[in-house]
Formats: sequence, structure tokens, C-alpha cells
Amino acid sequence: AQSVTQLDSHVSVSEGTPVLLRCNYSSSYSPSLFWYVQHPNKGLQLLLKYTSAATLVKGINGFEAEFKKSETSFHLTKPSAHMSDAAEYFCVVSGGSNYKLTFGKGTLLTVNP
Amino acid sequence: EAQVTQNPRYLITVTGKKLTVTCSQNMNHEYMSWYRQDPGLGLRQIYYSMNVEVTDKGDVPEGYKVSRKEKRNFPLILESPSPNQTSLYFCASSLSSRRGYTEAFFGQGTRLTVV
Repeated sequence: AQSVTQLDSHVSVSEGTPVLLRCNYSSSYSPSLFWYVQHPNKGLQLLLKYTSAATLVKGINGFEAEFKKSETSFHLTKPSAHMSDAAEYFCVVSGGSNYKLTFGKGTLLTVNP
Repeated sequence: EAQVTQNPRYLITVTGKKLTVTCSQNMNHEYMSWYRQDPGLGLRQIYYSMNVEVTDKGDVPEGYKVSRKEKRNFPLILESPSPNQTSLYFCASSLSSRRGYTEAFFGQGTRLTVV
């Protein structure tokens, strides 16, 4: 069994300040972990993925995430928020015999000018 | 261009009228799946398919059917839609690797309203 908990349903930051979106996971397997972003009225776009290589993963648009097995966490960060980062972000775990994707409930990121 | 294409993008229908949402991918992916997205619930898997003629239930399969007769297509069928199936639907596909499946590529979504 696997599950994902996104610890904040809504995060609000000012433009130019750091972003931290928190994600904890549970999995009986060696999981693959992903962060997806969904802009309003759009589909889901992959930001970055962890698949058991380097624990610090760099993604698109300046985002990165660190896989911490001891803490079962995969938090998403960005040093400086941009207005275009405003969107909903989903942490996703994949594993098991059917490689099912299990989604967190999402974190809405608001960026204030 | 590599993509997953869903049709229609928007659909309003009446209770009980059968409908099909089509999904097609041009990346030769083995794995395809359907999700529904509801506010506060994230995305939940409806059905998935690991290859042609191989399908299985996800977390919320009630009221839905799928088929996988060709590798590229994975239609979602609602035989008798009800208002609680009003939702945003996403189709996704993934390529298999030695470790499992790679990241999923998503379609643009289908917003379904059942009245």
C-alpha cells in the first residue's frame, strides 16, 4: 500500500521569496516520486522525478526536491518565487506491482506581488 | 509532437445517456490510465491498462468501463452517467522501463457535467 500526504493545502508567498511545499509519503516498495504542477484550466505537467538515483533532484523552472528516506519526505523548493509559479502542485508516489500513481490532495500556491 | 489527446474537452449530458471519452497517445506507451479530479481530493485512479487487452480497476471504478483494443487508444465509457460523476477527467500514459514505469504524461482533461 502507498499514500501521500501534502502537509499544506494552501501556501502563500511573496514574489522573490523562497517556496517550500511539503510532502510525506508511505510505501511498501522502493518508490518513485514525482511533483506535478497544474495551472488553471490546464493539464498536469511534470516538474521533477526521483527514481533512486541522486537524492537531490532538479526540475524545470528552478524547482528542486530532496528525497529523505529516513523522514519519508520529498519536499519541493524554489529559491525565489515568480508570479508564474502560482498553480496547484501535486506530490505523487508510484510503486507496487501495478505501478499505480497515488496523488496527494494538492497544494495551492499563491504568489503575491 | 508527443502527446496524449482527450476528446471532448467539455461535455454536458443528462443522467442515463451513455457517453464515451476518447484518449489516444502517440508515444507507443504500454501503460495507460484514467483519473478523476475532484476539489480537495486530488486525482483518483479509475481504471488502468498495462498493455493491450489488459485492464484492471483502480480506486474508484464504479460506474465506468474501459477497453484497450489497440495500444494507442484507451476510451472511458459511462454506460449510465449520474450527477456524482460530474468531474474533471484525465487520461495518462507511461512507458515501461526495467524498473517499472516512467513518469506519466497527461491529456488536457475532460470536464464532464451530468445533469
